[in-house]
Amino acid sequence: GENVEQHPSTLSVQEGDSAVIKCTYSDSASNYFPWYKQELGKGPQLIIDIRSNVGEKKDQRIAVTLNKTAKHFSLHITETQPEDSAVYFCAAKGNFNKFYFGSGTKLNVKP
Amino acid sequence: DAGVTQSPTHLIKTRGQQVTLRCSPISGHKSVSWYQQVLGQGPQFIFQYYEKEERGRGNFPDRFSARQFPNYSSELNVNALLLGDSALYLCASSLSYNEQFFGPGTRLTVL
Repeated sequence: GENVEQHPSTLSVQEGDSAVIKCTYSDSASNYFPWYKQELGKGPQLIIDIRSNVGEKKDQRIAVTLNKTAKHFSLHITETQPEDSAVYFCAAKGNFNKFYFGSGTKLNVKP
Repeated sequence: DAGVTQSPTHLIKTRGQQVTLRCSPISGHKSVSWYQQVLGQGPQFIFQYYEKEERGRGNFPDRFSARQFPNYSSELNVNALLLGDSALYLCASSLSYNEQFFGPGTRLTVL
């Protein structure tokens, strides 16, 4: 089955700096890659996604890049704000509609 | 618009008991997926249902079962509870097989 690895597990940045979270996947058949933000006591919130036929997608301060050859994808957050502090998960959709999640990155944005 | 709703919010059971968790998807969404999230880890895929049929199953024992009703709401049942079943159980709804929107989850504690 699919295996998704996520790094780093924790990330601390100064407000206004950029943050980058990286994920790798193992199954070349995976074709959809969402990113979620999870705040304490809440369910994951979809923040951006990318399909395998696209290399990059941007939504305001958030962007995702996908390298199918290397089987890795990354989340980029620019001009970070304290409210960006949360746990971020990457995921990959494999065969039979199964979604596989990374282990999460705890982002701390210091004011 | 109402998002995904789940009930109950919290639940405490003892080993060997059975539990039923409920989920109502976003209006118009016909697909529901269930995930188990152990503290400090990413969600683990359990089931996906679309139009009342199972369309995906994760690596969980047969003690876990689910169903989807004609109104697209869903129930997750877990029999013969083990201590290791303690987790946050998340429900996600989607219009297609891709974008998933999560509910707040049900926190299950097995004593």
